[in-house]
Amino acid sequence: AQSVTQLDSQVPVFEEAPVELRCNYSSSVSVYLFWYVQYPNQGLQLLLKYLSGSTLVKGINGFEAEFNKSQTSFHLRKPSVHISDTAEYFCAVSGRGSEKLVFGKGTKLTVNP
Amino acid sequence: DGGITQSPKYLFRKEGQNVTLSCEQNLNHDAMYWYRQDPGQGLRLIYYSQIVNDFQKGDIAEGYSVSREKKESFPLTVTSAQKNPTAFYLCASLADHYQANYGYTFGSGTRLTVV
Repeated sequence: AQSVTQLDSQVPVFEEAPVELRCNYSSSVSVYLFWYVQYPNQGLQLLLKYLSGSTLVKGINGFEAEFNKSQTSFHLRKPSVHISDTAEYFCAVSGRGSEKLVFGKGTKLTVNP
Repeated sequence: DGGITQSPKYLFRKEGQNVTLSCEQNLNHDAMYWYRQDPGQGLRLIYYSQIVNDFQKGDIAEGYSVSREKKESFPLTVTSAQKNPTAFYLCASLADHYQANYGYTFGSGTRLTVV
């Protein structure tokens, strides 16, 4: 079975500052990793995913994440945030060969002017 | 454009009443999922289906039922046995592993409130 820990439930930052949202996972098998964003009262939108290959993954809206197998981490980063990045972000993992996606509890990112 | 349609967007349920949430997809995906979202708890899997006429319980299936009679449709019924149904419900589908766009696509959700 897989599990995901998002280390920060809330992250406040100022506009144009860099941000890192932390995600650690546990799994006994190889994994696929995902980051999703959710705006209020909406569904989840895929930001980026790691399936295989390069450990640095680039996604939409200027976000990127790095898969670190030794530290079982998949932290999300953006060098300069905008007010419009205010949302909740979810890290998720599925085991290879599994069809089930397991989510972390989410991190609320608030970008202040 | 292909996607997942959930309806209704808002739903109110009286005590002891069964309600059904609709989920339709035109992505030609075999696998479909229902998740429940509560504040501060992330998303928890209720049921999933990998093929028509087959479905499996997720982590919190008690008080819920599903059917999968068509590839495009995966409705969720919240029964009166579900004691705390107030939540945001999300439906998702999964592309096949061999597809370049492998990953989960989500609908826009249904917010269910008990009145």
